[in-house]
Amino acid sequence: DADVTQTPRNRITKTGKRIMLECSQTKGHDRMYWYRQDPGLGLQLIYYSFDVKDINKGEISDGYSVSRQAQAKFSLSLESAIPNQTALYFCATSDGTTGGYTFGSGTRLTVV
Amino acid sequence: DQQVKQNSPSLSVQEGRISILNCDYTNSMFDYFLWYKKYPAEGPTFLISISSIKDKNEDGRFTVFLNKSAKHLSLHIVPSQPGDSAVYFCAARPNSGYALNFGKGTSLLVTP
Repeated sequence: DADVTQTPRNRITKTGKRIMLECSQTKGHDRMYWYRQDPGLGLQLIYYSFDVKDINKGEISDGYSVSRQAQAKFSLSLESAIPNQTALYFCATSDGTTGGYTFGSGTRLTVV
Repeated sequence: DQQVKQNSPSLSVQEGRISILNCDYTNSMFDYFLWYKKYPAEGPTFLISISSIKDKNEDGRFTVFLNKSAKHLSLHIVPSQPGDSAVYFCAARPNSGYALNFGKGTSLLVTP
């Protein structure tokens, strides 16, 4: 089993729909992150959480919300999806020491 | 404002030669610098890192050099192999413990 599992792997949704992307980890790390990748823009931070009671906005949090249900689970929601949220979404975890992250395989989201 | 910059979107190198990927940063308050490698349809994987108090770190074929006065780091791959063909992301961790800042990535192609 992968250390960081993202579901679904691919999703097509319609404009205005609410959608949730899920992430679970078996690394035992406290820190979890959601990043978005767009072609030519690299990885941009959406939200991050340093423990279950700690949730922080990243650089592009507008239009997104998150829930840290447990140490191992961190979900990302798009309340009302719009086409420019079409992107590849990555969840990651870290133990906060040297900065190394473990990433999931990503969710490819298309909003039509 | 992009604090970590990879100004070369792509690089092509012959097998057996050296690949040099470059990264510049604008913030002096980073304590760790990292390189990640990403294959299509997979999440980024950690490759190598360097603390801001070092100027070189080596791991097998991979060496990262840090020039703090120039705010520049580079990743050297010697010798390059076709399996090294991937997108490479440079990342930096603020010493405040915030999340990683990523560059836009450089796509490396190693040709036989």
